[in-house]
Amino acid sequence: GNSVTQMEGPVTLSEEAFLTINCTYTATGYPSLFWYVQYPGEGLQLLLKATKADDKGSNKGFEATYRKETTSFHLEKGSVQVSDSAVYFCALSDAGGTSYGKLTFGQGTILTVHP
Amino acid sequence: EAGVAQSPRYKIIEKRQSVAFWCNPISGHATLYWYQQILGQGPKLLIQFQNNGVVDDSQLPKDRFSAERLKGVDSTLKIQPAKLEDSAVYLCASSLTQILAGGRNEQFFGPGTRLTVL
Repeated sequence: GNSVTQMEGPVTLSEEAFLTINCTYTATGYPSLFWYVQYPGEGLQLLLKATKADDKGSNKGFEATYRKETTSFHLEKGSVQVSDSAVYFCALSDAGGTSYGKLTFGQGTILTVHP
Repeated sequence: EAGVAQSPRYKIIEKRQSVAFWCNPISGHATLYWYQQILGQGPKLLIQFQNNGVVDDSQLPKDRFSAERLKGVDSTLKIQPAKLEDSAVYLCASSLTQILAGGRNEQFFGPGTRLTVL
């Protein structure tokens, strides 16, 4: 079945540091890949997505590239801010079969950014 | 545009009691999802509706969990009787349709209901 594995957390950085959160996946077919973010006390929000190999999703300074050869979708940001402190989830949605668009999530990575 | 609404936001019950959660999706969204998020884990799909029909309930513990979506709009998720391991955040999400498979159709999440079973 489908699965998503994220790097272990929590991750603690200083403001303006470079961020990488690793994500790898296992899926049948050709999944779409997502990063969701959950700020304290709020619901999940879509951060970015990529629907086919070599696509790059980007939003709010975050980027992730769909790498089919390495089955990865690592999240990066060049300079993090305190306001980026949140839990980040990598997820996939399988295009075929009976998945009907359901999301399979990784376990989440807690990011804390200090001033 | 109003987002996905859920209530209550928090619920504390004793084990073996019953509990119900309510979700109102974004207007016009045909597909509705219930996810369970246990502390320290990612959300896991419990059930998915397309309009008022169930399209995936393979991970729903049907001996104690039930869900309905009457008239294809609001949905209710019920647990009866609750167990300690049901303590989690229950997330409702909606999307325009499931037809655009492969994630081309964004899911919008509600704030969740945090359930504590004592």
